[in-house]
Amino acid sequence: AQKITQTQPGMFVQEKEAVTLDCTYDTSDQSYGLFWYKQPSSGEMIFLIYQGSYDEQNATEGRYSLNFQKARKSANLVISASQLGDSAMYFCAMREEHGSGNTGKLIFGQGTTLQVKP
Amino acid sequence: DVKVTQSSRYLVKRTGEKVFLECVQDMDHENMFWYRQDPGLGLRLIYFSYDVKMKEKGDIPEGYSVSREKKERFSLILESASTNQTSMYLCASSLAGGGINEQFFGPGTRLTVL
Repeated sequence: AQKITQTQPGMFVQEKEAVTLDCTYDTSDQSYGLFWYKQPSSGEMIFLIYQGSYDEQNATEGRYSLNFQKARKSANLVISASQLGDSAMYFCAMREEHGSGNTGKLIFGQGTTLQVKP
Repeated sequence: DVKVTQSSRYLVKRTGEKVFLECVQDMDHENMFWYRQDPGLGLRLIYFSYDVKMKEKGDIPEGYSVSREKKERFSLILESASTNQTSMYLCASSLAGGGINEQFFGPGTRLTVL
């Protein structure tokens, strides 16, 4: 069965430092997509970054990068130069992609709460 | 901007009541989803729909039903609310197909069942 695991319930980072949030996944499919979402205390889910299983380069979006290690089935999120506004819960998610059978379903991890210290 | 709206941010209901949670998206997305979010469990899929009048069970459908009569609207129904359905409910929508096609989420409804 497909599964996403985030082993860090809570993390602290000093402002302006980089932080890595861990995510491992389990799937028997060859084609899949990996997502990271941010959920501030206000509750809305904000899409951050996407990595396709066939993408050879790690995805980057501004201060966010995804450290994709396919053989290890890990998709860690790296946030560089942390800001106070980065304090939030972060979710890793996986979507299986079967072409015409793709329903867009996501499987989410448990989430990691990040607190940025001034 | 893609917009997903949910009918209420906060809702308090009594045990046994029938509860309707409404979700509307304005981007002509084929897929719509209902999740519940509980501490330590992440988001769990209740139901999803990939077309009008089409629905499929997610991981935790028990005690819930859904309705999608129009493409833009996806309703979650609690036939007889129970205290263990107290939770945050999130609606999302996305385009069909692979690639990025990320899910866009509504603001959530925090439901309390007394």
